Amino acid sequence: QSALTQPASVSGSPGQSITISCTGTSRDVGAYNHVSWYQQHPGKAPKLMIYDVSNRPSGISDRFSGSKSGNTASLTISGLQAEDEADYYCSSYTSSNTYVFGTGTKVAVL
Amino acid sequence: EVQMLESGGGLVQPGGSLRLSCAGSGFTFGTYAMSWVRQAPGKGLEWISGLTGAGAFTYYADSVKGRFTISRDNYKNMMFLQMNSLRVEDTAVYYCAKMTGESVHRNWFDPWGQGTLVSVSS
Repeated sequence: QSALTQPASVSGSPGQSITISCTGTSRDVGAYNHVSWYQQHPGKAPKLMIYDVSNRPSGISDRFSGSKSGNTASLTISGLQAEDEADYYCSSYTSSNTYVFGTGTKVAVL
Repeated sequence: EVQMLESGGGLVQPGGSLRLSCAGSGFTFGTYAMSWVRQAPGKGLEWISGLTGAGAFTYYADSVKGRFTISRDNYKNMMFLQMNSLRVEDTAVYYCAKMTGESVHRNWFDPWGQGTLVSVSS
């Protein structure tokens, strides 16, 4: 199972919006609405930001939103803030009853 | 507060074995599926194994199938990962993560423990 494809880095100025893409196949992202997104600060454990494509867990800012079209899921961060600078990973359930993560995207706040 | 705490990591030689533990607290442990996810130094996340709340069904990534065994003791609120025939490429931080519901399928990972480092080197 190959990792889902994410851009290596995305950057934006404070207050701007950025979007991170996550491209898979018809056996994972395209097959199920079970895409989740995780934020990871350096040296820390990953934190769930979005589950089932577009749902936010309790306590997650509404500046984070998710969507999906075909084999590509997306995470949008609006009103970018300095604390959003981190690595972001998507994950999808697969037809093999396993999970696959994305390659990861480093978000920089300029 | 729901928390996970991993332990058991360390330095092991190629071909050796290691057993990781994950203690869960703040929730009814036996009613939730759990998973192990690892992260090699400077690399991305890799799901490696999961099991149902009752422990009846287990799932593995191809990269560890036949070498790693996942299990749990719901009386002690603990999950384990027995790692045999370790390879240099198994070097990583290993995280345990709670899933939502009893099934491993169609799920997500929340929350995660702080991780335990496994180093495989001669």
